Amino acid sequence: QVQLVESGGGVVQSGRSLRLSCAASGFNFNSAIIHWVRQAPGKGLEWVAVVSYDIAHKYYSESVKGRFTISRDNSRNTLYLQMNGLTFEDTAVYYCARQHSSGYYGPLDYWGQGTLVTVPS
Amino acid sequence: SYVLTQAPSVSVAPGRTARITCGGDNVGGKSVHWYHQKPGQAPVLVIYHDDDRPSGIPERFSGSNSGNTATLTISRVEVGDEADYYCQVWDSSSDHWVFGGGTKLTVL
Repeated sequence: QVQLVESGGGVVQSGRSLRLSCAASGFNFNSAIIHWVRQAPGKGLEWVAVVSYDIAHKYYSESVKGRFTISRDNSRNTLYLQMNGLTFEDTAVYYCARQHSSGYYGPLDYWGQGTLVTVPS
Repeated sequence: SYVLTQAPSVSVAPGRTARITCGGDNVGGKSVHWYHQKPGQAPVLVIYHDDDRPSGIPERFSGSNSGNTATLTISRVEVGDEADYYCQVWDSSSDHWVFGGGTKLTVL
């Protein structure tokens, strides 16, 4: 079955960096578009970034552009999110999610359980 | 940037019908997806492409989308349907994925 397992979260001081990972299994990772979506405590879902299956296309939300970098290693079936210049506002649970095969206009059909990033104020 | 607007909360009695709306400029021209999320859990897709149901989602869940409003309808609401519900679209003009603010469904 499709599985997405995030890791790498933790407590990090403001201004520092952190790298999240998302290990995928149960599907052809090499052909899947994958997203990062976050959720601040008690808040709604916020889309963060996406990478195409071939890494040719990457898109970011305005709130993280220039600070976060999404990447993937198809040989390891793993997605990454390099987060630099972290601030309190980046405190959230970070989910990786698979884009449905119908393309960009399709849904995010499978989600991991998330990893918590805490940046103390 | 494209914005989706949802009411913060909706309340309904068990057995009745709940309607959760998602407003956006000409959202009827986009493909809308709906997720529910229970406390401490990851979001789960319940409706995609406006009105399709993933396998395993009860027929009580349905969707529609026209004009400036998309609607998730839950018939014969059960206590287990209590959750936060989010709508989502892809904004092709910006290549951004957009979520509504979420609606908390309370089953009284």
